[in-house]
Formats: sequence, C-alpha cells, structure tokens
Amino acid sequence: GQQLNQSPQSMFIQEGEDVSMNCTSSSIFNTWLWYKQDPGEGPVLLIALYKAGELTSNGRLTAQFGITRKDSFLNISASIPSDVGIYFCAGHSGNTPLVFGKGTRLSVIA
Amino acid sequence: KAGVTQTPRYLIKTRGQQVTLSCSPISGHRSVSWYQQTPGQGLQFLFEYFSETQRNKGNFPGRFSGRQFSNSRSEMNVSTLELGDSALYLCASSLTSGLAGAGANVLTFGAGSRLTVL
Repeated sequence: GQQLNQSPQSMFIQEGEDVSMNCTSSSIFNTWLWYKQDPGEGPVLLIALYKAGELTSNGRLTAQFGITRKDSFLNISASIPSDVGIYFCAGHSGNTPLVFGKGTRLSVIA
Repeated sequence: KAGVTQTPRYLIKTRGQQVTLSCSPISGHRSVSWYQQTPGQGLQFLFEYFSETQRNKGNFPGRFSGRQFSNSRSEMNVSTLELGDSALYLCASSLTSGLAGAGANVLTFGAGSRLTVL
C-alpha cells in the first residue's frame, strides 16, 4: 500500500527559529494536507494543497505541493512556544483513504 | 457550527470485553472515517462510511466493525478486546469522499476516544 515517509521524527529548536519538515510518498497524490495535533486532541488541519507546484501560506506556515506529486514540505517561520505539537502530513489519491505520515514532534525552547 | 463529537472521551476495558464508540459528524458532512492512533504505528485507517455504506476498509481484523446511520452519525465496535487495542480512536468527517472538488474530501477530526485495555 501507499506509504509516507515524514522527516524529521522530532525537532528541538529555539524560539524564533525557522522550521522545515517534509514528506515523501512512494506513489502520486492529488491532495496533500498538513495537520497539527496537540496533546489530548485530534489533528487540526493547517494547510491543504491541491495542485502540483502549489505554494500556500497560513500565517507563519508555508507548505508546498511537490512538482513530482510525490512530496510536500512545511515551513514554520519565527517559531513560538505554541507551535509545540506533532505535525502530520497526509496524502490523498482518488478513492483511496487519506494516508498519514508518522509525524514530526516539535519542541520549542523559550 | 459544531465540530466532530466523539463519545466517550476516555474508557477502560478488560481483555475479552467489547466496546462501542460513537461519532457525530459536522452537520452536512456525509462521510465518516475512523483511524486508530498508537505511538508506534501513527494513524492507521480503519474504515470509511458514506451514506450508510462502507466505502473503504483498512487492514484490521474482523473484530473491528462499524456502521453509519441515516443521520450520518457513526459507531465503531471492537469485540474481544486485546491489550494491543489500547489506542486513541479518531473519527473524522468530510462533505463527501473519493474523487471530489477541492476541499470536499478534507477530513475534520474529533478529539478522539482514548481506550485503555487492561
């Protein structure tokens, strides 16, 4: 089945630093989504991407849909303590269920 | 509008028992998906229902089952619980499923039901 490789698994950064994480897929997707999960809660959608090459921002977050349709990137600029959490990429293709990466656990040191 | 509501939020069961979890989707959403989340495996797809029909099923044993009602509310059931079934069970809803216009099949998640099996 489809698999997503998400990296890095975890990150420890200083407040104010920029963050980058990415996902690669073994197959082509037509939708890439990025979610954030806080402790004790379900994942919350951050950014949705629908076209190859698409670059979309949501405040300090920017995500890109890779040209090959097999990868996506999420960048967070000027991190703040509330950015702490687990970030998941997810891909969707046709009638198949949404497939998730294993997540990137972000810790921000004030 | 109200989000996805899952009940109960927390529950403890013993091996061999069965459990039923409930999910109320966002009003107007007709598709409901269930995922199991564990630290080691991440989010694993269980099944998806659309208009009371199971559209997709993940690679889980037959002990895991679900259904959807005419009002789009969904339940999942796990019978003969095992220790390894301890997990956060997440329900998510979307307007529709499969090939659809941008955004129509984006999942909105509930807060989950945390199941502990002793």
